[in-house]
Amino acid sequence: GAGVSQSPSNKVTEKGKDVELRCDPISGHTALYWYRQSLGQGLEFLIYFQGNSAPDKSGLPSDRFSAERTGGSVSTLTIQRTQQEDSAVYLCASSLFDRDYGYTFGSGTRLTVV
Amino acid sequence: SQQGEEDPQALSIQEGENATMNCSYKTSINNLQWYRQNSGRGLVHLILIRSNEREKHSGRLRVTLDTSKKSSSLLITASRAADTASYFCATGNYGGSQGNLIFGKGTKLSVKP
Repeated sequence: GAGVSQSPSNKVTEKGKDVELRCDPISGHTALYWYRQSLGQGLEFLIYFQGNSAPDKSGLPSDRFSAERTGGSVSTLTIQRTQQEDSAVYLCASSLFDRDYGYTFGSGTRLTVV
Repeated sequence: SQQGEEDPQALSIQEGENATMNCSYKTSINNLQWYRQNSGRGLVHLILIRSNEREKHSGRLRVTLDTSKKSSSLLITASRAADTASYFCATGNYGGSQGNLIFGKGTKLSVKP
């Protein structure tokens, strides 16, 4: 597609439920990144996919968080047993090759855990 | 840990004035990037300056980089109400193994008409 697409735009879930967030990057971009941003804060790195290499999961805050990228394209971020502190905007970005080419961001998914 | 930190945290100016935001970082870099964010959603890439460049222009934007001081500044000239947004600098830890950009907490710019 022309840009990075994220769905859903907004998600309200009950504490303890699992959620899946989807990211569709720009076609041909090999690098894909997930970040989250709490209200009024900066961006917290979560995970980085580069081509067919093993992802860099060093930013995932707990084992309740996982992500996959199928066929080098679409990515899904899964949060199990959601907690209130998981409430944030989850941002996905892709890059042609790597960070030195700049990121194109999606519009994000605003997750609210009640 | 923060790689880029912006200063000031918030800036309020009148339309037509210039806005200057600063960014400091800690490690050696290949380049430094600036992004804009409207309404707490997706960020938009504004400009990238390489470590061997000292100044770069794009429209009303002027970015400088001083690698000896590990700092960069973003100047927006003749600001408009539409420039109201948060501005983030980002770079990478090129001495480490991570391949992601690290973002600062941003400068919130308000341009009053």
